[in-house]
Amino acid sequence: RKEVEQDPGPFNVPEGATVAFNCTYSNSASQSFFWYRQDCRKEPKLLMSVYSSGNEDGRFTAQLNRASQYISLLIRDSKLSDSATYLCVVNYPSGGGADGLTFGKGTHLIIQP
Amino acid sequence: NAGVTQTPKFRVLKTGQSMTLLCAQDMNHEYMYWYRQDPGMGLRLIHYSVGEGTTAKGEVPDGYNVSRLKKQNFLLGLESAAPSQTSVYFCASSPLGVVNQPQHFGDGTRLSIL
Repeated sequence: RKEVEQDPGPFNVPEGATVAFNCTYSNSASQSFFWYRQDCRKEPKLLMSVYSSGNEDGRFTAQLNRASQYISLLIRDSKLSDSATYLCVVNYPSGGGADGLTFGKGTHLIIQP
Repeated sequence: NAGVTQTPKFRVLKTGQSMTLLCAQDMNHEYMYWYRQDPGMGLRLIHYSVGEGTTAKGEVPDGYNVSRLKKQNFLLGLESAAPSQTSVYFCASSPLGVVNQPQHFGDGTRLSIL
């Protein structure tokens, strides 16, 4: 069964604070991990890929914990423009490959002035 | 650079009517996908294609048909629209890769069935 679980939130965070949220997945064979951002009534957009050693892109840091099967996203010095829904995306290898990405339902983040 | 383009952006149909949603990508991607997104349900895969002339069922294929006659286009058809098909539809594409590559999305089609 393909499962990607996220806390739906909302997370209400003051501007300038640091916020982190996790996502758990159920298939230990998963190899591809991504965070997407989706603004209200817009399409999902790739925020960053998640690599085994962890990776950083500006104020955003993503980490992978294979032993516990979760990935995390940390946002530092949060901006009002960070308000969005963050989707965790994991691949579930099924032999064919192309249908293997499963999207979580998202974590809703609200940055408050 | 257009990326993934969906037409139309909005449509209202009556129950029983048919229509086709068009998705076009200019990135020469092998894989293309159709999703629907409903409140509280997240993105659900309807159909996908691994290349020109091939299609496959996703998680929620019933009531939909697809075709990929050209590599750059992926069409989603509703033969007899039902109110349960009211949703936001997203098309996406991704390149071929050893492991799953990130998908690039169109900006969606908002479909209402009355």
